[in-house]
Amino acid sequence: QKEVEQNSGPLSVPEGAIASLNCTYSDRVSQSFFWYRQYSGKSPELIMSIYSNGDKEDGRFTAQLNKASQYVSLLIRDSQPSDSATYLCVVNGPGRRALTFGSGTRLQVQP
Amino acid sequence: DAGVIQSPRHEVTEMGQEVTLRCKPISGHNSLFWYRQTMMRGLELLIYFNNNVPIDDSGMPEDRFSAKMPNASFSTLKIQPSEPRDSAVYFCASSTSWTGVNTEAFFGQGTRLTVV
Repeated sequence: QKEVEQNSGPLSVPEGAIASLNCTYSDRVSQSFFWYRQYSGKSPELIMSIYSNGDKEDGRFTAQLNKASQYVSLLIRDSQPSDSATYLCVVNGPGRRALTFGSGTRLQVQP
Repeated sequence: DAGVIQSPRHEVTEMGQEVTLRCKPISGHNSLFWYRQTMMRGLELLIYFNNNVPIDDSGMPEDRFSAKMPNASFSTLKIQPSEPRDSAVYFCASSTSWTGVNTEAFFGQGTRLTVV
């Protein structure tokens, strides 16, 4: 079992729709959760972090965390073509001293 | 700050040659990470340092790979001898916390390595 699992996609949504990206992780003691965005040919960049159960909103982005289910998600409202990228779910915790990346979900926003 | 700086951006080498990738972390960051990214395996952690000391090198694929951090502002990843299966994008990242908890890692632009 991979430590961090994501559907590779591509996830295709029309412009203006809500894109929902999901991630599950295996280490129950994980404490920190991040979403990185990576455009083709570029390096990953952080877009959201979440540390406690519930929702965290930042502009068009909402991260959701459910530690009991070991589940993290990212919602992108009013999706734009510029949101087309690969979204990487990243997990860290006391049993691990470096970020562990999922394989990423490729999002395509159709104009 | 210029961010994490990696060099070279692109490297093409012949199988069997030695390859050295370089990284300058963000000033003040005391943790440095080397990742490798391929289509098949995604982003894989190779090794990370805290205060110039290697903490975990369990991700280094084999003895052909070695990494050093002689000081707080410089790290190298060396492959000797290189093989075609080493072709990938190698990223260096740095952060302010060695545990990484609650801390963002900043990535360099990566080195695209092609071994022919």
